[in-house]
Amino acid sequence: DGGITQSPKYLFRKEGQNVTLSCEQNLNHDAMYWYRQDPGQGLRLIYYSQIVNDFQKGDIAEGYSVSREKKESFPLTVTSAQKNPTAFYLCASSPTGGSQPQHFGDGTRLSIL
Amino acid sequence: GESVGLHLPTLSVQEGDNSIINCAYSNSASDYFIWYKQESGKGPQFIIDIRSNMDKRQGQRVTVLLNKTVKHLSLQIAATQPGDSAVYFCAENIREYGNKLVFGAGTILRVKS
Repeated sequence: DGGITQSPKYLFRKEGQNVTLSCEQNLNHDAMYWYRQDPGQGLRLIYYSQIVNDFQKGDIAEGYSVSREKKESFPLTVTSAQKNPTAFYLCASSPTGGSQPQHFGDGTRLSIL
Repeated sequence: GESVGLHLPTLSVQEGDNSIINCAYSNSASDYFIWYKQESGKGPQFIIDIRSNMDKRQGQRVTVLLNKTVKHLSLQIAATQPGDSAVYFCAENIREYGNKLVFGAGTILRVKS
């Protein structure tokens, strides 16, 4: 079945540590996105990529980094510069162009040790 | 399981009744809208979408209504079932922002048996 796979489901970070969240899709979508979800708030865009080897900052990019070396993969690194990393992280993908729904993975919950 | 909406508005309905979930969107330039369903600990699941040149669209047991005059979107679920219990949120596509989606915080739907 086509879909988006995020791993791990749960992740713990120590102080000063960088951690990387994985996102893989086999939907052949050009565009991929990372969102952060906090209780009682809407999804906030961290980074997005509309094509391989290119990505743009979203609304809350500080303390995060991404890469897009392959169409299928869009890993997110939460760096030690992100002082409040505890959240539910969601990866999505879509075809490029407007008026297309984004399809989501089942998320990674990141907590601080 | 995890809760993704600790302080969200809640709609409680009896099994078999119809549900109406509302969303006010922010930008009159938005040209495409999506409703998502999110169950605890999972990623958002696409339900239905509508373009701004329409005012109504129907799916299986769901109907989306769009009122551009007052920037209001609603999701109607017919014959609500226990499996419909989840957080529902709308998203608007703002073309002038490069076709990025902006998400509402969501509404919790609880179905009583």
